[in-house]
Amino acid sequence: EIVMTQSPATLSVSPGERATLSCRASQSVSSNLAWYQQKPGQAPRLLIYGASTRATGIPARFSGSGSGTEFTLTISSLQSEDFAVYYCQQYNNWPGYTFGQGTKLEIK
Amino acid sequence: QITLKESGPTLVKPTQTLTLTCTFSGFSLSTSGVGVGWIRQPPGKALEWLALIYWNDDKRYSPSLKSRLTITKDTSKNQVVLTMTNMDPVDTATYYCAHAIAVAGTPYWYFDLWGRGTLVTVSS
Repeated sequence: EIVMTQSPATLSVSPGERATLSCRASQSVSSNLAWYQQKPGQAPRLLIYGASTRATGIPARFSGSGSGTEFTLTISSLQSEDFAVYYCQQYNNWPGYTFGQGTKLEIK
Repeated sequence: QITLKESGPTLVKPTQTLTLTCTFSGFSLSTSGVGVGWIRQPPGKALEWLALIYWNDDKRYSPSLKSRLTITKDTSKNQVVLTMTNMDPVDTATYYCAHAIAVAGTPYWYFDLWGRGTLVTVSS
């Protein structure tokens, strides 16, 4: 089973600044990686799929990059509504889809 | 507009079987390239994928839970049902269903829209 490792576990950033979140796969997942945002009490929302394609309605300040085993989610200028938990997920390799353990993005 | 809604018991006893229903609208599970999956999240913890059913009735299960899970669909009712046997307190979680879509021309699927989830507590 592929293990997805996200870092850091918690990231403290001030509004208006850039946030960079990392996700590493234990083996190559090509570009078959998604990023989700989850706010307290809400379902996850798809932000990025295919490692770098923004989902419908996702603001341009969210961008994804990487392939193989190393991936990055960048939020260029943090807005108040962006503080949440972010998960990466691979959908390349069977058996099973696997999620990372999440990065909590909090206000500094 | 695609919507999904999970329903089922909020409390089950250890060893019982859990049956959850995902009722959806805005798409048909008989359309090629469409699927519905189940994902769960224990309180304060990460997401865990459980099962996925495709439009052609093909099914995939989490290897660690495969012996306990069954996923079925009723296309006429726009529903997907997940059953999980032998429930344990560690299975306490919010259970989500989600619309799955294939990357065009590939066997790679991701979850683009999720239901709001339903919290299931396992306790005697």
